[in-house]
Amino acid sequence: GAVVSQHPSRVICKSGTSVKIECRSLDFQATTMFWYRQFPKKSLMLMATSNEGSKATYEQGVEKDKFLINHASLTLSTLTVTSAHPEDSSFYICSARSSNAGYTFGSGTRLTVV
Amino acid sequence: AQTVTQSQPEMSVQEAETVTLSCTYDTSESDYYLFWYKQPPSRQMILVIRQEAYKQQNATENRFSVNFQKAAKSFSLKISDSQLGDAAMYFCAYTGANSKLTFGKGITLSVRP
Repeated sequence: GAVVSQHPSRVICKSGTSVKIECRSLDFQATTMFWYRQFPKKSLMLMATSNEGSKATYEQGVEKDKFLINHASLTLSTLTVTSAHPEDSSFYICSARSSNAGYTFGSGTRLTVV
Repeated sequence: AQTVTQSQPEMSVQEAETVTLSCTYDTSESDYYLFWYKQPPSRQMILVIRQEAYKQQNATENRFSVNFQKAAKSFSLKISDSQLGDAAMYFCAYTGANSKLTFGKGITLSVRP
């Protein structure tokens, strides 16, 4: 079945630094990937839609300059949290739409900003 | 805009018993998909079951089945013969023409041994 690999699974960074999260589709081509943020015991909040070869589309209220998304190939999308602050600490999840209207999720990244 | 409502934040079921998780949605689209996802403590999102709106037959996957009422915009999940491993957070989700997944708030299911 379709597999999406997300790395790193956990990262701790200092306030003011940037962190990059990678999401790869391993056995299928993902023209569209989605990035979510999730707080404990809460639902997934869509941050942006990443389209291969074009600019990402951000949801209302999401700072595009803070959360940089790049989708350079059909199998790789990256989310960079720039100038991270403690309030950016969260669980970030990517997903890709695979064939037959299915969605495959990465395993998530727990970001802690200290 | 589409909305997905899960009004029960928590439910509990005795092992081997049956439990039903509720979900309603609102949309003006006629062609869409509905999903139930399971999120265990590992936080990996796992697809439980999927329903195409144009199919009248309710989807089933082993112990999991749905009651899809299109006119009522209702999409409940029934878990039969509940197992300890079923304990998790469950999300109902919708996708339509824009391909974005809209999630409900989720429900935490606990299974009593």
